[in-house]
Amino acid sequence: TQLLEQSPQFLSIQEGENLTVYCNSSSVFSSLQWYRQEPGEGPVLLVTVVTGGEVKKLKRLTFQFGDARKDSSLHITAAQPGDTGLYLCAVAYSGAGSYQLTFGKGTKLSVIP
Amino acid sequence: DAGVIQSPRHEVTEMGQEVTLRCKPISGHNSLFWYRQTMMRGLELLIYFNNNVPIDDSGMPEDRFSAKMPNASFSTLKIQPSEPRDSAVYFCASSSTLYGYTFGSGTRLTVV
Repeated sequence: TQLLEQSPQFLSIQEGENLTVYCNSSSVFSSLQWYRQEPGEGPVLLVTVVTGGEVKKLKRLTFQFGDARKDSSLHITAAQPGDTGLYLCAVAYSGAGSYQLTFGKGTKLSVIP
Repeated sequence: DAGVIQSPRHEVTEMGQEVTLRCKPISGHNSLFWYRQTMMRGLELLIYFNNNVPIDDSGMPEDRFSAKMPNASFSTLKIQPSEPRDSAVYFCASSSTLYGYTFGSGTRLTVV
């Protein structure tokens, strides 16, 4: 059973369209992170959300953490070809003196010019 | 800062051969993580180190996999002997805080 379920798995849209992708779980988390991974590269951190109901904006990207801290969404306004990539959500588990991240399988977004 | 540096970027090897992947973390980061990414399973944590000490290796698939961190600026992931099912992209990441994961560009391993 996957801890984090991301949907949709694949998304192909035209440039200029809006879209929302989701990250869901039955567990409660103290924080959640979103990463974007471009082909041939490692994931790059976009944002961390920590408070239930929190909304963060990064240019055309809007991130929301659910009130119960079990889910999150990423909304992109007027998508651009440069937004193409794999969007991953991740949550942290604490270990001995450090934290480890567990990732969802991601949403693969293609923005067609 | 040059970021997390991994080598090689691509590795093609024959089944049964030994493979060594290398990682140089960001200077000052005290945690280092090895992940494996496949289409089927996504990103999976293999092992992580804190202050050069292995903390959790429960994600290592089997005894054929081993990882070392002899000092704060270098880590290796070794597979011996390699098998076709080990084909994947292997990522190294380093961190100094919960919110500071930086990934390398990965090593794409193909075992034929």
